Amino acid sequence: ILNVEQSPQSLHVQEGDSTNFTCSFPSSNFYALHWYRWETAKSPEALFVMTLNGDEKKKGRISATLNTKEGYSYLYIKGSQPEDSATYLCAFGNAGNNRKLIWGLGTSLAVNP
Amino acid sequence: KAGVTQTPRYLIKTRGQQVTLSCSPISGHRSVSWYQQTPGQGLQFLFEYFSETQRNKGNFPGRFSGRQFSNSRSEMNVSTLELGDSALYLCASSPAARLQETQYFGPGTRLLVL
Repeated sequence: ILNVEQSPQSLHVQEGDSTNFTCSFPSSNFYALHWYRWETAKSPEALFVMTLNGDEKKKGRISATLNTKEGYSYLYIKGSQPEDSATYLCAFGNAGNNRKLIWGLGTSLAVNP
Repeated sequence: KAGVTQTPRYLIKTRGQQVTLSCSPISGHRSVSWYQQTPGQGLQFLFEYFSETQRNKGNFPGRFSGRQFSNSRSEMNVSTLELGDSALYLCASSPAARLQETQYFGPGTRLLVL
């Protein structure tokens, strides 16, 4: 059974804090790793798609890294703001027989002003 | 461009009934994926359609079915509803059926089975 695990499950930080979360995925049959942000009452929105080992992506205060050999990705948020409060989902693109995206349960981030 | 739309947004059904949910992708997108989201289970992949063909299917019983039309709009059908089918059903579209494509999600249909 292919499993994608995200940690921590939830996180509370103060405005201005920097934070990071982890997505662990199988290191075989890797094709792509996606990060999405899902705010309450909205739809999930794409942050990054990474396909190469060592990839680093950045969008404003948010960045992500990828290690396909050991099967993990980190998402970093620098100087958290209350509007960053959301659930952050990662999805592993499995290139094996059953090609599909396999989603983690997400990390729920709450940023206190 | 208009985003992904899903209808209806909310639905209440009783056990044993059937339901059809609809998804209109972003114009030009040919791939539509369906997901079920329940508390504690995360996004569970139901199926993916591309150019009217089902490309892949998740581990759901045969009561869950779908189809895609020539204009890329997709429908999902659940027959003989069970209480456990209560969930948020999301569809997502992308230009092509490739694992590195960004998925654009609709607002979801929240189904309650009584």
